[in-house]
Amino acid sequence: GAGVSQTPSNKVTEKGKYVELRCDPISGHTALYWYRQSLGQGPEFLIYFQGTGAADDSGLPNDRFFAVRPEGSVSTLKIQRTERGDSAVYLCASSLTPSGTYEQYFGPGTRLTVT
Amino acid sequence: QQQVKQSPQSLIVQKGGISIINCAYENTAFDYFPWYQQFPGKGPALLIAIRPDVSEKKEGRFTISFNKSAKQFSLHIMDSQPGDSATYFCAASPLNRDDKIIFGKGTRLHILP
Repeated sequence: GAGVSQTPSNKVTEKGKYVELRCDPISGHTALYWYRQSLGQGPEFLIYFQGTGAADDSGLPNDRFFAVRPEGSVSTLKIQRTERGDSAVYLCASSLTPSGTYEQYFGPGTRLTVT
Repeated sequence: QQQVKQSPQSLIVQKGGISIINCAYENTAFDYFPWYQQFPGKGPALLIAIRPDVSEKKEGRFTISFNKSAKQFSLHIMDSQPGDSATYFCAASPLNRDDKIIFGKGTRLHILP
């Protein structure tokens, strides 16, 4: 079956611009996660949704970052006034339930480059 | 502060050899320890995981050894194959928060053919 998909696969933007990154989770998965992976580092937790609500947004670095999941399926990560330090691969994952024995399935990521 | 420390940063192993990657943690509230495998251009994929109530878990060629008192755990890949060449991440999650995965920095493993 289809896995987690993310669009676009690559995004180049200029410093100060606004970007939106999209995640389509596996059908039926109620939990959705966003991570950021900088070069040579492990993924860093940003935010986790259970259904439509953000259950934990403690990883968002500042108020320029925002994420939504209005219908409990597709999610969009929004970054305002992008900075060069925002350049990274943004990973999305989904799981059948938010915790317990169900693993997180990751998408291939969106590589964001801020010039 | 890095909560999960992983070593080595990179590792080269001959085909058929044993690959060993080590991790250490400080937070005693961690109680779920997964390992992820990531190929270039792909997202991480769960490889194997362990909870602190056991000292070892084996799945095929992959084994996790866990030392609760030392707060260390390791991944052993037996009979390493070129297809195992990837980046491996150890990780940890707090009690009752399996959803919140804290990753190590990763180990780039290369298996020589």
